[in-house]
Amino acid sequence: GQNIDQPTEMTATEGAIVQINCTYQTSGFNGLFWYQQHAGEAPTFLSYNVLDGLEEKGRFSSFLSRSKGYSYLLLKELQMKDSASYLCAVYNTNAGKSTFGDGTTLTVKP
Amino acid sequence: DTAVSQTPKYLVTQMGNDKSIKCEQNLGHDTMYWYKQDSKKFLKIMFSYNNKELIINETVPNRFSPKSPDKAHLNLHINSLELGDSAVYFCASSQEFRGSYNEQFFGPGTRLTVL
Repeated sequence: GQNIDQPTEMTATEGAIVQINCTYQTSGFNGLFWYQQHAGEAPTFLSYNVLDGLEEKGRFSSFLSRSKGYSYLLLKELQMKDSASYLCAVYNTNAGKSTFGDGTTLTVKP
Repeated sequence: DTAVSQTPKYLVTQMGNDKSIKCEQNLGHDTMYWYKQDSKKFLKIMFSYNNKELIINETVPNRFSPKSPDKAHLNLHINSLELGDSAVYFCASSQEFRGSYNEQFFGPGTRLTVL
């Protein structure tokens, strides 16, 4: 089965940097996704990691260590609009599905 | 152009009623999904269809019956609605089943409230 852990809530200040961690224990692994979900809206794709290392995309970066079952999403130069839930999802090709963590609600304060 | 669309956006109904939610994607994807997101924001997969065929059924009560008339559409019919069915239901699609990449595109969600 899949077990995915993320912190439930985080708070950070506008302009700061925040790191959202995700640990997983899975029976199969073919990639890790991060999605952003604003309140009342649908999840939208942020990043994808399949190999170890850091993937950078503008203010957002995502890191993966497969041997440690660990990923993080790094958000730089936080803006108020970054207040949202961030979902970590582990993809298993054999199962044909992604399993989502319970999400981390990030609140950015002025 | 909306990639994944769902109707209705809001659905309020009485316990015991039967209701349907419709989903369409215009991305040419082979695989479609239904997810349930409860009040605690947990996003759980319910069903997955690949090219009109049921692939994943995550032990959902048989009051829930998905139907895929073609690979661009996946509808969800719910019989005998219960209070615990109140949630947001998201439809999603991805390019292919068991592909090397599984980015999912989500519809706007249907907020179901059972009274």
